[in-house]
Amino acid sequence: DAGVIQSPRHEVTEMGQEVTLRCKPISGHDYLFWYRQTMMRGLELLIYFNNNVPIDDSGMPEDRFSAKMPNASFSTLKIQPSEPRDSAVYFCASSLVREGYNEQFFGPGTRLTVL
Amino acid sequence: AQSVTQLDSHVSVSEGTPVLLRCNYSSSYSPSLFWYVQHPNKGLQLLLKYTSAATLVKGINGFEAEFKKSETSFHLTKPSAHMSDAAEYFCVVSDAGFQKLVFGTGTRLLVSP
Repeated sequence: DAGVIQSPRHEVTEMGQEVTLRCKPISGHDYLFWYRQTMMRGLELLIYFNNNVPIDDSGMPEDRFSAKMPNASFSTLKIQPSEPRDSAVYFCASSLVREGYNEQFFGPGTRLTVL
Repeated sequence: AQSVTQLDSHVSVSEGTPVLLRCNYSSSYSPSLFWYVQHPNKGLQLLLKYTSAATLVKGINGFEAEFKKSETSFHLTKPSAHMSDAAEYFCVVSDAGFQKLVFGTGTRLLVSP
């Protein structure tokens, strides 16, 4: 298995532009998570899906952020309009909950820089 | 609510010496606990997991962790550090629904020759 795939790996954009991050989870996994990592705040959970349905989006910072999962093999995280404070590494993770625990597999991340 | 506290933000060791990264957890139920490692500019990789089976858990690359309920601890150890172990390590606990993970603030392990 190729693992969790994220694209692009690096994104540099200007303030006000729309940014779309993409994620392909591991085949057969039924949970998908989006995280943001910064020096100041560490690793934060933004939103997660179960069977393509958003379950908890309480970590999404504001309305400029939105996430979708149109099918079991694809998810997007969109920022519109982007701001410099959105600069961070965004990770996607997927898992298959079994035996009462949740082992998440992380993608390599997308490093976003908003100028 | 579940939480983990990583007691050291940085740990420095010499190559070949033991490694100890400390983690205390808080949970109202029997928790699932994990250690993840993140090498520079990489994603997070699972090192090991505790899911209420054996209290001594063995992971990859020679790492171990022991679940101690009386001390609410889940410390990560390795008998002999290697240069390639230099990375950031996260102690993690599952939430009550075993869906969300709660991450600690991380411990950066530095290994000197």
